Amino acid sequence: DGGITQSPKYLFRKEGQNVTLSCEQNLNHDAMYWYRQDPGQGLRLIYYSQIVNDFQKGDIAEGYSVSREKKESFPLTVTSAQKNPTAFYLCASSIRGLAGGYQETQYFGPGTRLLVL
Amino acid sequence: KQEVTQIPAALSVPEGENLVLNCSFTDSAIYNLQWFRQDPGKGLTSLLLIQSSQREQTSGRLNASLDKSSGRSTLYIAASQPGDSATYLCVPQGGSEKLVFGKGTKLTVNP
Repeated sequence: DGGITQSPKYLFRKEGQNVTLSCEQNLNHDAMYWYRQDPGQGLRLIYYSQIVNDFQKGDIAEGYSVSREKKESFPLTVTSAQKNPTAFYLCASSIRGLAGGYQETQYFGPGTRLLVL
Repeated sequence: KQEVTQIPAALSVPEGENLVLNCSFTDSAIYNLQWFRQDPGKGLTSLLLIQSSQREQTSGRLNASLDKSSGRSTLYIAASQPGDSATYLCVPQGGSEKLVFGKGTKLTVNP
């Protein structure tokens, strides 16, 4: 079964703690994305990666970090510098990236809800 | 900068009605436009992708149209069912531009 998996489904963060959200895909897609969704708001892009070992900041990258060491994996770390991390986080992937000249369909994972204790 | 507006923000209809969801976008230089569905607390599911050269795309009871020059798209849902209840998102896609998501239309279909 091909798809995108995100874990955990729920994540609790204590004050000053860094937490990492997992995103894995077995679709053989080059590009992967992280979005944040707040209630009543549209999705906002945090980071994206168009190829292994390369990634770019999105619109709201402050307080977040990512890595892309493997094609299948794009973990997102929410650092202590992110003062308002409570949100729903969605990971997505597409065959090619945003600068591919032709935007393919993005496939989304089930999401991780991050809550602050 | 691309901006996406979806009207109405929320819609409640009885089962069996045909309905139209509207989307407008400010930058018409797009390659295609995608409609997604999001169930509460879940990820997004792609419904339809319309290429910029197309005017319509159909999948089952769903029909999406695109008028690129005027920056508009509509999603038509025929014979609505309670299982259609979800938030619907319209996403115009450019070649090198980051995707911009609107706030969506929250649809409730009452049995």
